[in-house]
Amino acid sequence: QSVLTQPPSVSAAPGQRVTISCSGSSSNIGANSVSWYQQLPGTAPTLLIYDNYKRPSGIPDRFSGSKSGTSATMDITGLRTGDEADYYCGTWDDSLNSVVFGGGTKLTVL
Amino acid sequence: QLQLQQSGPGLVKPSETLSLTCSVTGDSISTTSYYWAWIRQPPGKGPEWIGSIYYVGTTFYNPSLKSRGIISVDTSKNQFSLRLNSVTAADTAIYYCARTLGFEYFHHWGQGTVVTVSS
Repeated sequence: QSVLTQPPSVSAAPGQRVTISCSGSSSNIGANSVSWYQQLPGTAPTLLIYDNYKRPSGIPDRFSGSKSGTSATMDITGLRTGDEADYYCGTWDDSLNSVVFGGGTKLTVL
Repeated sequence: QLQLQQSGPGLVKPSETLSLTCSVTGDSISTTSYYWAWIRQPPGKGPEWIGSIYYVGTTFYNPSLKSRGIISVDTSKNQFSLRLNSVTAADTAIYYCARTLGFEYFHHWGQGTVVTVSS
């Protein structure tokens, strides 16, 4: 069981917007910044969001992140079939002294 | 362009030691501000951080590994390595090396190595 809780799956139509949630506690999300990763089938994860809302160079602004209290969300707008992937949130946990990840959310673009 | 190339066996016997190496090209492993990390992903599960190392040799490990892991760096070869001892079937996973952005954000990843623990 993962330290961070994500919905197992979300879906939306092409062109629409989807929100993926990540729930934690005061020792992880409540105290530290959050990152988000996209993992296309058979490939390594790609960093999409860090420091809650920042995007690395090359990541389109269709991807956005936010944090409030012990939860974080990532929005993807203008959905494309190429966005179908697993998405993971991550952060540092002060109690576990470790980087922790969510269990992942599978995005289906209908 | 930064590239991380992993090498090491894909099959390890139970109770033996898993050894993987990550060779870095396109940048010096001694570049300040970056950490070098190992992450693994069991089949069908999310990533799990194993540990990270700074080029001077400072290491940080996931306590859940119970001191079974050792990460080392060889700046002369521009590579870093992972050794995980006393492996069991629970250590079966895809193992990735990565360079961080800050400490806890994994920005550049290796191609991954599928490691199976089986006799």
